[in-house]
Amino acid sequence: EPEVTQTPSHQVTQMGQEVILRCVPISNHLYFYWYRQILGQKVEFLVSFYNNEISEKSEIFDDQFSVERPDGSNFTLKIRSTKLEDSAMYFCASSEATPLAGLVYNEQFFGPGTRLTVL
Amino acid sequence: GENVEQHPSTLSVQEGDSAVIKCTYSDSASNYFPWYKQELGKGPQLIIDIRSNVGEKKDQRIAVTLNKTAKHFSLHITETQPEDSAVYFCAASIDSSNYQLIWGAGTKLIIKP
Repeated sequence: EPEVTQTPSHQVTQMGQEVILRCVPISNHLYFYWYRQILGQKVEFLVSFYNNEISEKSEIFDDQFSVERPDGSNFTLKIRSTKLEDSAMYFCASSEATPLAGLVYNEQFFGPGTRLTVL
Repeated sequence: GENVEQHPSTLSVQEGDSAVIKCTYSDSASNYFPWYKQELGKGPQLIIDIRSNVGEKKDQRIAVTLNKTAKHFSLHITETQPEDSAVYFCAASIDSSNYQLIWGAGTKLIIKP
């Protein structure tokens, strides 16, 4: 069964350093997302990406964050200068979003996450 | 914007009994409501979803009900088993919002043997 994969599973970095989190979405999916989950808190939407551009982003997704689809398979989240409060689990997701009989499906499939620890 | 509230935060049931988790949402434009199961150390996995044109959906031991008027939806798990122990999240989405999911806070379900 196809699945979303993420690397690395755990990333430890010093405050102020840049990190890149990588994701390989399911191959025939068109929409890609990043979410984060601070320990013990809700899952929070960061950004959605379609047709090689950002579709929507939340208030969390400020100028320190960027996303890219550098090739046909990878989808990356970059944090330019990490802060302590960026420590969280980061989940990538993808969805097919295929129009079907006038409805648009939105089943999002999640990767296992990358635990980012900023020291 | 949309806000999703989920209750209870922790639910402990005897194996074989039923479990019910409830969510409410604030934006009447929301039209897609998935439920995710998250096991320790793993990403959320979609277990069932419902769209606003349907009132109830069932998949084996799992069912979801939706009351659009009251703006609440519920997850029902019958004949619970130890492997049902996990954190369950409800979410809501509006097609016009590029499918951004707004999440509930999660319910930790504990199945007692």
